This record gives sequence, structure tokens and C-alpha cells, in this order.
Amino acid sequence: DTGVSQDPRHKITKRGQNVTFRCDPISEHNRLYWYRQTLGQGPEFLTYFQNEAQLEKSRLLSDRFSAERPKGSFSTLEIQRTEQGDSAMYLCASSQGFNQPQHFGDGTRLSIL
Amino acid sequence: GQQLNQSPQSMFIQEGEDVSMNCTSSSIFNTWLWYKQDPGEGPVLLIALYKAGELTSNGRLTAQFGITRKDSFLNISASIPSDVGIYFCAGLLNNNDMRFGAGTRLTVKP
Repeated sequence: DTGVSQDPRHKITKRGQNVTFRCDPISEHNRLYWYRQTLGQGPEFLTYFQNEAQLEKSRLLSDRFSAERPKGSFSTLEIQRTEQGDSAMYLCASSQGFNQPQHFGDGTRLSIL
Repeated sequence: GQQLNQSPQSMFIQEGEDVSMNCTSSSIFNTWLWYKQDPGEGPVLLIALYKAGELTSNGRLTAQFGITRKDSFLNISASIPSDVGIYFCAGLLNNNDMRFGAGTRLTVKP
């Protein structure tokens, strides 16, 4: 399978804990995106990378959130001191370049107890 | 911010019927895309539209990019049970920021 891969698929943690998610994009795609999706809503943009450079961050990305793409391949999204409101599906997508369609992984569902 | 208004919110149809859903915005987008999402999975790309007025088909699906670049519609002809799911429109801005509608939940009765 050469699609976008996300790990883990599900994460349950207690409030206040840190969590980290991983995304492996389609191999020839240089752009990688993170989205958050809550129940009944469409995905909301969080941030994106072109190669290893993080080019844009949404105001939804508070200072407890950090994303990296150190070698321009896989990316990680870390949430520190998790809160109840962080419960959501975190989706990763990748594309071949500017204005090209984004292809999504199956997401990581985060539940905060 | 730029908001996409997607309608209808939900549809209940009989197998074999045609379906139409649309998205409008007050902002201009470079690209319109339509995705389908099944429970517990990520959105899957159905159709991408790049030019104002463009009409594109993918099997039983047809989508159009509005002339004003502020709207798009998706039609599904002769629906089948596996068409069930949530359909999202998405608009791509200049900075590669993609905005999604709230989705249309489609139920197909056999």
C-alpha cells in the first residue's frame, strides 16, 4: 500500500499527558499537511510543510502543539498537556506540489479521559 | 475566515436515484475538490477541478467548478448502496490552505 500512513490509529490518554502522532506521506509527495476533524465537521487545517520547512500554521495550532518534518519525509505532531477539547481525529495529507490534490491518511483518533 | 457552505446537510434516497449536492462561498478558490469519507477512515479524493466552468466526470460522479470560482456542485447518478457516506467539498486557496464544507451525509435505501 503506497498511500498516506498514520500511526497510531487510536490513542486514549489522560488529561495533562503528552501525545505524539506520526505520518508517513506518499513517497514522491513533497508537501505534507495536518488537519483536525471533530464530529460532524469537515477537517480543519492546522499546518503544512514543504519538504522539511513548516510554511504555515493555523491559529488553531496553540503553543501546546508542535509539528516537525526533520528530513522532509515523515512528520510528527505532538500535543503537550492535553486538554478535553483536544479530543478529535487528527488527519495527515500529502500532495505533489502547489495546487495539487491532497491525499489523506486514515487519521489518528485521540480521546482524552 | 473563508467559509464553505455545503448543502444539503443530509439526504435519504432510494437506490437508483440521482443525487445533487453543492458548495458555495463568499471567497474565490483556485481549485475545488470533492472527497468522500467513510466512518473511521480518512477522506478519499473523488474529483478535482482546476478551472472556472470546468465539468469533470468520474464514473457515475460529475462535478463542476462554478464560473465565479465561488461554488461547485457534485452529482451522483443511479446511486447504489456503497455510495453511502459523507461527502465533503473543499476549496484550495492561493497559499495551499484547504477549507472544507461541513459535509453532506448520504443514506441510500436498497
